[in-house]
Amino acid sequence: AQSVTQLDSQVPVFEEAPVELRCNYSSSVSVYLFWYVQYPNQGLQLLLKYLSGSTLVKSINGFEAEFNKSQTSFHLRKPSVHISDTAEYFCAVMRGSGGSNYKLTFGKGTLLTVNP
Amino acid sequence: KAGVTQTPRYLIKTRGQQVTLSCSPISGHRSVSWYQQTPGQGLQFLFEYFSETQRNKGNFPGRFSGRQFSNSRSEMNVSTLELGDSALYLCASSLDGPAQDGYTFGSGTRLTVV
Repeated sequence: AQSVTQLDSQVPVFEEAPVELRCNYSSSVSVYLFWYVQYPNQGLQLLLKYLSGSTLVKSINGFEAEFNKSQTSFHLRKPSVHISDTAEYFCAVMRGSGGSNYKLTFGKGTLLTVNP
Repeated sequence: KAGVTQTPRYLIKTRGQQVTLSCSPISGHRSVSWYQQTPGQGLQFLFEYFSETQRNKGNFPGRFSGRQFSNSRSEMNVSTLELGDSALYLCASSLDGPAQDGYTFGSGTRLTVV
């Protein structure tokens, strides 16, 4: 079975500051990794995903995450945040191959609050 | 194109009752999954359907059930409601599982059991 640990439940930062949201996973098999964002009273939106290939993946709004197999991590970073980035961010893992690969296992989430 | 539509958005039910939630996926999407979101447990996988077949099921009691119709629309049913079933229930759709194109989530149905 897979599990995900998001080390920080809340991360407050000032506008234009860099931010890193940490995610570690546990799995005995290969995995796919995802970051989702949830704004208040809304569903989740896919931010970016790692399936294979380049370990650095980027989103269209400036976020990036790097898959580190040796450290079993998939941290999310942004060099300069905006007020509009305030939301809850969820890291998720899915088994990479074989059976049961239709289920996402989510971390508990990190609430990013960007202050002016 | 239209997103994932979940109805109703809000629901209040009494303990012991049953409830049915509906999810209409994005046109062309054949995979539909359901998740329960609570402050204490976070996001937990309920089940996933593809072409009317349940492919995977989470660790929920038998009171939680679902189905998918030939047009890919899905429903989930919770019988004999308990206070602990109060949650945001999220439906997600994709062409064939989250790996191919990620999931598109609906806005959810917020169920309150009193």
